[in-house]
Amino acid sequence: QKEVEQNSGPLSVPEGAIASLNCTYSDRGSQSFFWYRQYSGKSPELIMSIYSNGDKEDGRFTAQLNKASQYVSLLIRDSQPSDSATYLCAVTGGTSYGKLTFGQGTILTVHP
Amino acid sequence: NAGVTQTPKFQVLKTGQSMTLQCAQDMNHNSMYWYRQDPGMGLRLIYYSASEGTTDKGEVPNGYNVSRLNKREFSLRLESAAPSQTSVYFCASRDRGLLRETQYFGPGTRLLVL
Repeated sequence: QKEVEQNSGPLSVPEGAIASLNCTYSDRGSQSFFWYRQYSGKSPELIMSIYSNGDKEDGRFTAQLNKASQYVSLLIRDSQPSDSATYLCAVTGGTSYGKLTFGQGTILTVHP
Repeated sequence: NAGVTQTPKFQVLKTGQSMTLQCAQDMNHNSMYWYRQDPGMGLRLIYYSASEGTTDKGEVPNGYNVSRLNKREFSLRLESAAPSQTSVYFCASRDRGLLRETQYFGPGTRLLVL
């Protein structure tokens, strides 16, 4: 059983819409949660991190964490074509020395 | 600051050949990691080094060895390459602050094993 699951894509949204990306994880000891963006042929880049239940906003991005449901999500408001990329959810445990466990990624396409 | 650098960028090997992937970071981070990325599978951890002088296995260590040469450098070695090791390899280092942590990734090495 995969430890981190992301909703299957690809996800296509029109420019200006809200894109919603979801992720579930199986390890209840997970403590840190991350969203990475990866453009085609490039390396992952951290866009959001969240450590406690609730919402965290940064510009057009909002991360939501619900540890009871073992669920983390990323909302992208006012989506732009430049947001088209693969979004990777990743988690670490409390004593994992920062070892990231990634989901398989969701491809997002924002069309004009 | 170059961040995390990797060499080579691309490599073609024949089955059974060996090679070493090099990684260096100039951010004075203690922890470094090697991941591989295959289509549709996200990234998987091969080995990591929590601090200089220590290394440990990740999720998929078979067929690989690592060396933490010093605080800056962390290399990954394939002793006898197999087609199943065709992948994109990413090195990362971790910045751990009081309230947050961030892993910075290198540009990747694309490896093709024939």
